[in-house]
Amino acid sequence: DTGVSQDPRHKITKRGQNVTFRCDPISEHNRLYWYRQTLGQGPEFLTYFQNEAQLEKSRLLSDRFSAERPKGSFSTLEIQRTEQGDSAMYLCASSHTSTGVSEKLFFGSGTQLSVL
Amino acid sequence: GDSVTQMEGPVTLSEEAFLTINCTYTATGYPSLFWYVQYPGEGLQLLLKATKADDKGSNKGFEATYRKETTSFHLEKGSVQVSDSAVYFCAPSAGSWGKLQFGAGTQVVVTP
Repeated sequence: DTGVSQDPRHKITKRGQNVTFRCDPISEHNRLYWYRQTLGQGPEFLTYFQNEAQLEKSRLLSDRFSAERPKGSFSTLEIQRTEQGDSAMYLCASSHTSTGVSEKLFFGSGTQLSVL
Repeated sequence: GDSVTQMEGPVTLSEEAFLTINCTYTATGYPSLFWYVQYPGEGLQLLLKATKADDKGSNKGFEATYRKETTSFHLEKGSVQVSDSAVYFCAPSAGSWGKLQFGAGTQVVVTP
């Protein structure tokens, strides 16, 4: 399977705990994106990387959120001191900035976070 | 700020019916326009796109035309199938490459 993979698929945690999600993009995709989707809404942009550089962060990304892409391959998204409002589906997507395929995002199946 | 208004669902149709999902947007500049689809149990995937005024994107029998004057990108299909049952998202680009602003999604249910 050469698609975008996310781990875990589901995460249940108690309020105040820290959680970390992982995303493995399609190999050779230099851009990686994180989105968040709540029930009945479309995905909201959180942040994106070009290679290992984090180029943009949404105002939605509070100080409790941190994302990394240390070697320009996989990425992690950590949420510290989780709150019930963090419950959502966290989506990862990747793309490659070459002519003809740029702006086509390939999405993973997401990590469903439930904060109790 | 930028926003996307999409037709509310669910839209329930019989097989072979005509489908239209309206989408209008506000954006600074000249965005590219996308429709993404999410089939049950699957991840989001690109359905079609258009990058400039009057461009028509098409795929799998679906079409949408970039209407700059009305800032719209309505999705249409002439004859839907049960397999078209999914949630459809309109998404203009918003500045940086790959930064998309998604509408709320429209669920389409096609019955035999």
